[in-house]
Amino acid sequence: DGGITQSPKYLFRKEGQNVTLSCEQNLNHDAMYWYRQDPGQGLRLIYYSQIVNDFQKGDIAEGYSVSREKKESFPLTVTSAQKNPTAFYLCASSSGRDYNEQFFGPGTRLTVL
Amino acid sequence: DQQVKQNSPSLSVQEGRISILNCDYTNSMFDYFLWYKKYPAEGPTFLISISSIKDKNEDGRFTVFLNKSAKHLSLHIVPSQPGDSAVYFCAASVNAGGTSYGKLTFGQGTILTVHP
Repeated sequence: DGGITQSPKYLFRKEGQNVTLSCEQNLNHDAMYWYRQDPGQGLRLIYYSQIVNDFQKGDIAEGYSVSREKKESFPLTVTSAQKNPTAFYLCASSSGRDYNEQFFGPGTRLTVL
Repeated sequence: DQQVKQNSPSLSVQEGRISILNCDYTNSMFDYFLWYKKYPAEGPTFLISISSIKDKNEDGRFTVFLNKSAKHLSLHIVPSQPGDSAVYFCAASVNAGGTSYGKLTFGQGTILTVHP
């Protein structure tokens, strides 16, 4: 089955620690995205990547970092510089034919204690 | 600066009736609009979209209307079913120039509840 996997589903970390969220897709999509969702708010774009070894900052990139070494993988690191890291994180991908129609993974809920 | 707004946090309708979800935007550069549906603990799924060159797009029970002069779009679901109960997000992007690469701006979402 083609799709996007995010692991783990729930993640707990102590304040001051970096944490990396995994995102893998087997849809052969060129583009991948990371969003953050907070209660009562829409999804906000953190980083996106159209091709391997290239990525751009979204609207709220501060305190986050990404890499795109493989087409199918786009891990997100939440650094200790992110002031409010507790949130629901969603990864998405899209083909080069239609970047707007994005396919989302199930999400990772990160709680920083 | 909320460029895409869904002013109704929630909507409750009876099964079989019409559901109308609304969305307003402020950025006149937006030229492509989408609706996504999200169930709890899952990622959103694409529902329907519309380009700014159209004012209506229909797909089965779902129809999206775009009023560019009012910077307003709406999603109509007819007839509504209990399985439609979910959070609905509208999203917008700027595609002119071919540099959007899927940079979507989302609204806050509207929780739709369809009662049997």
